[in-house]
Amino acid sequence: DAGVIQSPRHEVTEMGQEVTLRCKPISGHNSLFWYRQTMMRGLELLIYFNNNVPIDDSGMPEDRFSAKMPNASFSTLKIQPSEPRDSAVYFCASTGAKPNQPQHFGDGTRLSIL
Amino acid sequence: AQSVSQHNHHVILSEAASLELGCNYSYGGTVNLFWYVQYPGQHLQLLLKYFSGDPLVKGIKGFEAEFIKSKFSFNLRKPSVQWSDTAEYFCAVNSGGYQKVTFGTGTKLQVIP
Repeated sequence: DAGVIQSPRHEVTEMGQEVTLRCKPISGHNSLFWYRQTMMRGLELLIYFNNNVPIDDSGMPEDRFSAKMPNASFSTLKIQPSEPRDSAVYFCASTGAKPNQPQHFGDGTRLSIL
Repeated sequence: AQSVSQHNHHVILSEAASLELGCNYSYGGTVNLFWYVQYPGQHLQLLLKYFSGDPLVKGIKGFEAEFIKSKFSFNLRKPSVQWSDTAEYFCAVNSGGYQKVTFGTGTKLQVIP
């Protein structure tokens, strides 16, 4: 079975550029989560969707960050304009509709902003 | 709001030593508890989970965890660690019926051969 698929795996770009991270959740899962992981702050929940609707975006750092989920099989996290402090590993995770389901994580996108 | 505390940030053990990583949560209602492992350069993977029933939960790779409701704890244990257990371990909790999971800050385990 395909797991959560994230792209790209690595992204290096200059500050000020727009960055778009992509995620395909596991088929049939109805909740999707975006996390950011850094050495300083550990694993932070940025936003999560349920049935394609954003439920909690309180973790989104600022207006430069935006996330969308246009359908059940695709989500994007966009940073515009990017800054060096956005450098981190960004994980996407999904979980099923049944109660008490664990989250399944993608391999992450390692983002470096120069 | 629920929260999770992992008191050990970095643990160093020799191979064959026993392991216990602490996890405490704060939430008064029904909780689901998880331990995830992240090997170097990889994503988080589920080690074990507790939803109900036997408070002693056995997971993959010889790990187990015990839910002690009175102490709000869910400590992870392994009788004899291996070098391949070197990883970061995250405790997580969600309250029954909600899918949002709160993660602890993680414990880095280094096993020395």
